[in-house]
Amino acid sequence: SAVISQKPSRDICQRGTSLTIQCQVDSQVTMMFWYRQQPGQSLTLIATANQGSEATYESGFVIDKFPISRPNLTFSTLTVSNMSPEDSSIYLCSTLGAGQETQYFGPGTRLLVL
Amino acid sequence: SQQGEEDPQALSIQEGENATMNCSYKTSINNLQWYRQNSGRGLVHLILIRSNEREKHSGRLRVTLDTSKKSSSLLITASRAADTASYFCAQNSGGSNYKLTFGKGTLLTVNP
Repeated sequence: SAVISQKPSRDICQRGTSLTIQCQVDSQVTMMFWYRQQPGQSLTLIATANQGSEATYESGFVIDKFPISRPNLTFSTLTVSNMSPEDSSIYLCSTLGAGQETQYFGPGTRLLVL
Repeated sequence: SQQGEEDPQALSIQEGENATMNCSYKTSINNLQWYRQNSGRGLVHLILIRSNEREKHSGRLRVTLDTSKKSSSLLITASRAADTASYFCAQNSGGSNYKLTFGKGTLLTVNP
């Protein structure tokens, strides 16, 4: 199984600023995913990040707001740009797991925007 | 996306009792998965059931799937305080074998 770490684990930010979240996997993986979990809610997929290509964004999410980098097979970053209080959420990255059907998740980054 | 619905939204039981959580979905699926999330942290995969399966067991977990009713249930037997967590179902649908759509989750509290 893959071990995934995220930095920072939590942060408090001012509106209008940006935060970059890092996701590190202990093995090489083709696909990485970024999710948002708003307070008390379920997970919503933001985008899928493949190494060497542009990230694929889900409906309702745009690159200008959530730029993603995938420089190699073990690392990805998600930036939350021009933040507002509505961006307060837990942001999670994940990779494919057993049989390429399940997913392993990082511990999440808890973001509070004031 | 077609998010699943889980019920109950919250469930509180005593240690040793069984806990049953239900999940309904709207579109046909390739498989349905259950995940656990402890206290706002990352999710842990528990069990996967394919669309052609009706029941699956893993330790104290039992999952059923009724594709005619588009519903699934997760049973945790002989619950422990450590089972306290949020439980989410996630459906895999369509042509992708990796894209997951998560339900809203059930918060399970097991009282010692």
